[in-house]
Amino acid sequence: AQSVAQPEDQVNVAEGNPLTVKCTYSVSGNPYLFWYVQYPNRGLQFLLKYITGDNLVKGSYGFEAEFNKSQTSFHLKKPSALVSDSALYFCAANTNAGKSTFGDGTTLTVKP
Amino acid sequence: DAGVTQSPTHLIKTRGQQVTLRCSPKSGHDTVSWYQQALGQGPQFIFQYYEEEERQRGNFPDRFSGHQFPNYSSELNVNALLLGDSALYLCASSLAAGVPSGNEQFFGPGTRLTVL
Repeated sequence: AQSVAQPEDQVNVAEGNPLTVKCTYSVSGNPYLFWYVQYPNRGLQFLLKYITGDNLVKGSYGFEAEFNKSQTSFHLKKPSALVSDSALYFCAANTNAGKSTFGDGTTLTVKP
Repeated sequence: DAGVTQSPTHLIKTRGQQVTLRCSPKSGHDTVSWYQQALGQGPQFIFQYYEEEERQRGNFPDRFSGHQFPNYSSELNVNALLLGDSALYLCASSLAAGVPSGNEQFFGPGTRLTVL
C-alpha cells in the first residue's frame, strides 16, 4: 500500500529565513508527487509537481521542491519565507493508475 | 471560470440516513475525484471517476458510491450514515489527457457533513 509521511506537524521559521517542509513517500512504480497548500477558509491549491526529469522543480509563489529517489523524499523549500506563506501544506503522491495519497499536513508559521 | 463548485456547503444528518453530495468540475476537466478529510488529517481518497466510470477506489466501504454524468459533474452518495462519516468531503477535478495521474487537481471548497 502506498503512503505519504510528513514527519513534522508544525514548522516555525522567521520571515526572511529559508524554510523546508519535509515529505517522504512509499509508492510502487514511478511516483507522481505534488505539493498543495491550504489557506484558512480556502480550498486546497496546487503548488508544484514532479513527474519526471529535473529533480528540482519550481512552483508558485517562489516555492520549489527537490525529488530524491534514493531517500524517497520530496521536500518543499523556499529561500526566503514570507509571513503570508503561513498555511497548511500537504504532500501527495499518485500512482500511474490514478490513486492519490495525501500526507496529514504540516502547519507552517512564519513569524515577522 | 467558476472553478470547482460543490453543494451543499454544510449538511446535518442523523445516523442511518442517506446523503448525496454534488460537484461540478472546473471547465475543461473530465476527471473527478472525491476525498474525505477528517479534522487534523489529510484528504483520504474515496474514488475517481472518468468517462462516467469509477476508475480507482480507496479503502472505503460500499456504502460510499458515486456517479459521473455526461457533463462531467459528479455525485457522492453515502448510505446508512455512521457518526464516523462526519467530515469535510472534497471534490477535485483534473484533466486526464496524456498522463492522467500526472496532472494536478483543482479542489472545491468542500461539503461539511455532520452526522448526529
